[in-house]
Amino acid sequence: QVQLVQSGAEVKKPGASVKVSCKVSGYTLTELSMHWVRQAPGKGLEWMGGFDPEDGETIYAQKFQGRVTMTEDTSTDTAYMELSSLRSEDTAVYYCATTVTIFGVVIRWFDPWGQGTLVTVSS
Amino acid sequence: EIVLTQSPGTLSLSPGERATLSCRASQSVSSSYLAWYQQKPGQAPRLLIYGASSRATGIPDRFSGSGSGTDFTLTISRLEPEDFAVYYCQQYGSSRFTFGPGTKVDIK
Repeated sequence: QVQLVQSGAEVKKPGASVKVSCKVSGYTLTELSMHWVRQAPGKGLEWMGGFDPEDGETIYAQKFQGRVTMTEDTSTDTAYMELSSLRSEDTAVYYCATTVTIFGVVIRWFDPWGQGTLVTVSS
Repeated sequence: EIVLTQSPGTLSLSPGERATLSCRASQSVSSSYLAWYQQKPGQAPRLLIYGASSRATGIPDRFSGSGSGTDFTLTISRLEPEDFAVYYCQQYGSSRFTFGPGTKVDIK
């Protein structure tokens, strides 16, 4: 059973960067496709990007291109999401969530999810 | 980008009642790529339905999904106290994922 454990809450100033981690257990990171979804306070879910095994690359939502970088350390089964040039509108809970490929078929829903990491951007 | 619209925004019902939640897409979505999630306050979303109509592991059979093309429905046959939450639909298309804005099911 896959479990995802994320790093703790962060407080950042506008213009800074934040790097959130997501540790995988129960599977190896190479068996999964990691994605990141965020949720601003009182708002809905917003997909930021993730690895597409059909394309063989990480796809970023257009809104975040140039500002977000998603990386993986397969030696520790940990995924990272770094968001730069932070502004107050980036205050949100950031979730990692996975999809998998089963018998060559890429699953296009997210299960499971990490517990979330609150990032607060404030001067 | 495919836009998902959910209705109603809020559904006020009593335990034991039937809940019908709608998710409409701006263009046709493959049923294989339509999912539903439940989210309770302070918790991460939980997968309920995938492939438009298949229940995820451990999901009670009072939850069911249906639909195709641009119109999808999540039905909760008899609301239990733990079902009062926000529900999101999600689709995949053209290498992108999008979520609907959510439907809040609250206690009447």
